[in-house]
Amino acid sequence: EAGVAQSPRYKIIEKRQSVAFWCNPISGHATLYWYQQILGQGPKLLIQFQNNGVVDDSQLPKDRFSAERLKGVDSTLKIQPAKLEDSAVYLCASSQSVGVYNEQFFGPGTRLTVL
Amino acid sequence: GIQVEQSPPDLILQEGANSTLRCNFSDSVNNLQWFHQNPWGQLINLFYIPSGTKQNGRLSATTVATERYSLLYISSSQTTDSGVYFCAVRPVGGAQKLVFGQGTRLTINP
Repeated sequence: EAGVAQSPRYKIIEKRQSVAFWCNPISGHATLYWYQQILGQGPKLLIQFQNNGVVDDSQLPKDRFSAERLKGVDSTLKIQPAKLEDSAVYLCASSQSVGVYNEQFFGPGTRLTVL
Repeated sequence: GIQVEQSPPDLILQEGANSTLRCNFSDSVNNLQWFHQNPWGQLINLFYIPSGTKQNGRLSATTVATERYSLLYISSSQTTDSGVYFCAVRPVGGAQKLVFGQGTRLTINP
């Protein structure tokens, strides 16, 4: 079974530029998550989708971050304009949505450096 | 919100040693996962263990949900076990998001 796919793996941009990340979840997983991991910290949720609807975006800086999952499968996360503090690894995860207990699986991440 | 504390923050051992990593959480949970983040940043699923004990080779984990802690045991450590180990929990009544601890950085020297 293929895992969670993400691209690109690395991205270097200058502040005030825009950037987009792509994620394709495990086949059949209805729930998709984007996490931000700053160096030396644990990942923190940015946004959670159930199929193509947003379940939780309370920690998403909506003035510069946006995300979509139009067909309920793959997803894109965009930052516009980027700030220095956005330098981090952006992790995508997915899970089935059967019952209360479900395990999350993570992609390899996109390492963003903002100069 | 729920607090997740991992200890120790850093652990340096010689190859072949055993180790115990601890995760304490401040509220009831219905999901707990242990991950190993390798040097390339990939989060590898180790255990999905909201309660009870599981074993997988040299690794085992125990979660005592009523006392709000989980333990990860690594026996006969190998250099490839090096990396950061994260505990992540899903609080009862919350959304499905995982709340991560700060991690334990494990270094296994040859």
